[in-house]
Amino acid sequence: QSALTQPPSASGSPGQSVTISCSGTSNDVGNSHNYVSWYQQHPGKVPKVMIYDVTKRPSGVPGRFAGSKSGNTASLTISGLQAEDEADYYCSAYGGDNNLVFGGGTKLTVL
Amino acid sequence: EVQLVETGGGLVQPGGSLTLSCAVSGFSISSNYMTWIRQAPGKGLEWVAIIYVGGHRFYGDSVQGRFTIPRDNSKDTLYLQMTSLRPEDTAVYYCARGGSSGDYYAHWYFDLWGRGTLVTVSS
Repeated sequence: QSALTQPPSASGSPGQSVTISCSGTSNDVGNSHNYVSWYQQHPGKVPKVMIYDVTKRPSGVPGRFAGSKSGNTASLTISGLQAEDEADYYCSAYGGDNNLVFGGGTKLTVL
Repeated sequence: EVQLVETGGGLVQPGGSLTLSCAVSGFSISSNYMTWIRQAPGKGLEWVAIIYVGGHRFYGDSVQGRFTIPRDNSKDTLYLQMTSLRPEDTAVYYCARGGSSGDYYAHWYFDLWGRGTLVTVSS
């Protein structure tokens, strides 16, 4: 199972919006399960789920974080960017047949 | 307090074996699907293995046949038994709890993670 494709880096200024893409195939991101998740990881910290089931936000995650999907590409959009959003972001998708694939990660810089 | 604590990491020679433990508190592992995910130094996340509520277990391609993911419900402890270790298995190993989505199915997202334990495979 190949890793999902994410841009290695993204950036934005405070208050702006930034979108991170996650490209896969019809076997993972594009399948009918819609089990796409996004994780935030600050340096030296544990990953934290920000989005699951493509669009759902766990309790406690700010509404500034939104997920979407079109075809074989999922996206994470962060609106009203804040300094604390600077972190690495990973997407994951259920690949069917009981396996999970992650993206390579995107380092988000808040300018 | 709801938490997961991994132990058992360390330095092991190539070809060696190691067993990681993940002790949980605040919930029951028998009622949740559980997983191991690893992260090589400076690299991204890689899914390793999963165990469903019913006990079925599945593994990533890179560890299939070498790793197993048993659990002890009476101790609320998850394990990762690793054999035939390779240098490329060097990573921080996290155990994590599967998130609930209100239905019977595992939605393959993980809402609670331990702090991880470092495994280094080197001679």
